[in-house]
Amino acid sequence: EIVLTQSPATLSLSPGERATLSCRASQSVSSYLAWYQQKPGQAPRLLIYDASNRATGIPARFSGSGSGTDFTLTISSLEPEDFAVYYCQQRSNWPRGTFGQGTKVEIK
Amino acid sequence: EVQLVESGGGLVKPGGSLRLSCAASGFTFSNVWMSWVRQTPGKGLEWVGRIKIKTDGGTTDYAAPVKGRFTISRDDSKNTLYLQMNSLKTEDTAVYYCATDFREAYFGSWGQGTLVTVSS
Repeated sequence: EIVLTQSPATLSLSPGERATLSCRASQSVSSYLAWYQQKPGQAPRLLIYDASNRATGIPARFSGSGSGTDFTLTISSLEPEDFAVYYCQQRSNWPRGTFGQGTKVEIK
Repeated sequence: EVQLVESGGGLVKPGGSLRLSCAASGFTFSNVWMSWVRQTPGKGLEWVGRIKIKTDGGTTDYAAPVKGRFTISRDDSKNTLYLQMNSLKTEDTAVYYCATDFREAYFGSWGQGTLVTVSS
């Protein structure tokens, strides 16, 4: 089973700052990685798929990069609505849909 | 606009059964693979299983922890997805989401979730 490890667990930043979130896979997942955003009381929302493609309607301040085992989600300038929990998910290997444990981006 | 609305959650005793429903609207349900994903505070997000569309065989796949106990089905005439859960265990306690499959293995749109609590 491929394990996804996200770091840091919590990121404390101010609006306008740049956020850099990491997701590391226990073995290569090629570019088959997605990022989701989840706010309290809401379902997750797909942000990025195949490592670097923004989903429909996702603002350009969200970008993804990486391949193989190391991936990054960058939020170029945090807006108030961006404070949430972010999860990565791989689709490379069975069991399909393995998620990371999440990174919480909180207001400093 | 895509809308997915789950229902059927509740409190059930270990060993019991429950059937969840997911009513879909805003897209052509019969053309979309569908999944169930669950979330717990302890284990986080976990894919439960999926069902393909009929023209792709309508086949199902399940995660190991639920295989043999859970069954996913769909009624395209009612635009509804189902999750039949049997032999429930305390570790099945979670919020259950239905979601549209995107590119066969990501989750494009999600419902609001329904809470299942397995406890004596």
